Amino acid sequence: DTGVSQNPRHKITKRGQNVTFRCDPISEHNRLYWYRQTLGQGPEFLTYFQNEAQLEKSRLLSDRFSAERPKGSFSTLEIQRTEQGDSAMYLCASSLRTGYNEQFFGPGTRLTVL
Amino acid sequence: KNEVEQSPQNLTAQEGEFITINCSYSVGISALHWLQQHPGGGIVSLFMLSSGKKKHGRLIATINIQEKHSSLHITASHPRDSAVYICAVRNFGNEKLTFGTGTRLTIIP
Repeated sequence: DTGVSQNPRHKITKRGQNVTFRCDPISEHNRLYWYRQTLGQGPEFLTYFQNEAQLEKSRLLSDRFSAERPKGSFSTLEIQRTEQGDSAMYLCASSLRTGYNEQFFGPGTRLTVL
Repeated sequence: KNEVEQSPQNLTAQEGEFITINCSYSVGISALHWLQQHPGGGIVSLFMLSSGKKKHGRLIATINIQEKHSSLHITASHPRDSAVYICAVRNFGNEKLTFGTGTRLTIIP
């Protein structure tokens, strides 16, 4: 257990539905990252926050995706009008802004869109 | 954009064998991570290094900055080492990680 938690661990939904995932980082970590991993591939960067500010977004993050970190603590990732291609593992990581900046990963949320 | 390649993609070995997994990248980096992912998806950070060599138990990670290459070694491999090992790099001035596709390691008793 790295101290980063994600909920739910698994989500099955029907195409067209909205889903929301939550990530709770290690408490003193001010950076939070979202990644997506499809089957057989390495994770790909989606977005990251420093405190409550979203500092970078990947082109992978279409307008159906939105991420928030309203109080600089936990974060949510929402996918609207899900598509089958959204089926993936969604990983969250956090780090403390120091020179070392090691990222600690959560267990992931596996999304299946039917 | 940094291209990260790992080899081999799949590796099966007998218990006790010495294991080497390689990672190469195309653009200079500020740090390289070796990560372990077990079935079920959770990722554990094994090493983060920017130069030289690090050792933790039976695991050793090395990096050659000039050659843009890193290796992960496992000595006296054990079935519990079976997992996917992923290399990830962080570019200068950039916070995000770029990942390789992973090496699936299976250790047979």
